[in-house]
Amino acid sequence: GQQLNQSPQSMFIQEGEDVSMNCTSSSIFNTWLWYKQDPGEGPVLLIALYKAGELTSNGRLTAQFGITRKDSFLNISASIPSDVGIYFCAGYSGAGSYQLTFGKGTKLSVIP
Amino acid sequence: GAVVSQHPSRVICKSGTSVKIECRSLDFQATTMFWYRQFPKQSLMLMATSNEGSKATYEQGVEKDKFLINHASLTLSTLTVTSAHPEDSSFYICSARVARHQETQYFGPGTRLLVL
Repeated sequence: GQQLNQSPQSMFIQEGEDVSMNCTSSSIFNTWLWYKQDPGEGPVLLIALYKAGELTSNGRLTAQFGITRKDSFLNISASIPSDVGIYFCAGYSGAGSYQLTFGKGTKLSVIP
Repeated sequence: GAVVSQHPSRVICKSGTSVKIECRSLDFQATTMFWYRQFPKQSLMLMATSNEGSKATYEQGVEKDKFLINHASLTLSTLTVTSAHPEDSSFYICSARVARHQETQYFGPGTRLLVL
């Protein structure tokens, strides 16, 4: 089946630092979605990407849909304590399926 | 953005009882909803795809008689955990598919189930 490899698995950073995480796939995806999940909550959609090469920002967050359609990255600039949480990438491969394939998540810890 | 609600947010029940979890799309119609299960420190595991007006499609290894799904309207899907046992304790999350012109899924806040 399809798999998404998300890295890093976890990261500890100082407040104010920039963060980068990425997802790669062995197969092509038509849509990449990035979510953030706080403890005890459902995932919240951060950014959606629909075209190869697309670069989209949402405040301090920037994400890109890789040109090969097999990867995507998420950057967070000038991190703050409330950025703490687990970030998931997810993708649609199309082909009539509406199911999302999820990465295993990146746990972000921000040290004040 | 689209809002999805879940009720209850947490539930504690005795072993052998059944528990119903509701998932509602509040400001849009969702022809397709999904039910996920999440164990601590793990990613979301898809349990089933719920289509309005038709039978749900279950993922391999998910017992359809154990996890009953009903999608009676375009804004409501329910998951009933029948004869719950402690191993059913988990975090259950629903999502709704929004397909205006591009595919997106919005998630509910989740339901924490504890079976004693």
